[in-house]
Amino acid sequence: AQSVAQPEDQVNVAEGNPLTVKCTYSVSGNPYLFWYVQYPNRGLQFLLKYITGDNLVKGSYGFEAEFNKSQTSFHLKKPSALVSDSALYFCAVRDRAGGYNKLIFGAGTRLAVHP
Amino acid sequence: DVKVTQSSRYLVKRTGEKVFLECVQDMDHENMFWYRQDPGLGLRLIYFSYDVKMKEKGDIPEGYSVSREKKERFSLILESASTNQTSMYLCASSDQRDTQYFGPGTRLTVL
Repeated sequence: AQSVAQPEDQVNVAEGNPLTVKCTYSVSGNPYLFWYVQYPNRGLQFLLKYITGDNLVKGSYGFEAEFNKSQTSFHLKKPSALVSDSALYFCAVRDRAGGYNKLIFGAGTRLAVHP
Repeated sequence: DVKVTQSSRYLVKRTGEKVFLECVQDMDHENMFWYRQDPGLGLRLIYFSYDVKMKEKGDIPEGYSVSREKKERFSLILESASTNQTSMYLCASSDQRDTQYFGPGTRLTVL
């Protein structure tokens, strides 16, 4: 079965520093990978996805993610963190079990950016 | 922009009540999903639908049912609410490239 893991419950970073939120995956076949962000009391917002092509994917709000097949990772990155980036981040992988396309989500990582 | 709306942001119900959560999307998406979100557990899929009047069980369907009478509307039904169904409920629809778009969520409290 497809799965993703987010090994860190929380990541703390100072404003202006680079940030990384980690995600590893386990899939059979080629992975479709996604990152979503959830601000307090809101639904999830799509940030970016990897289907094929360049290993570095650029998304919304200055975020990017690096697909690494050998390490089965899809880490989310941003060169310079903002306090407003503080939120809950979810990694997800597409699952095709049963012939239907679904997303399997990680448990989430809370990002706290300190001034 | 894709818009997914949910009928209530906050809802308080009593044990044993029948609860309806409504979700509407305006992008003509065929695929719609209901999740519940609990701290430390991420999002868990309750039910999904790939067409009108079609439904499939997700990972945690027990205690829930769904209805999809029209393409744009997907309803989640708690037949007899219980305290362990207190949670945040998220609805989503997806495009043909599997990107899901979420509503704002309904925070349900069952007393």
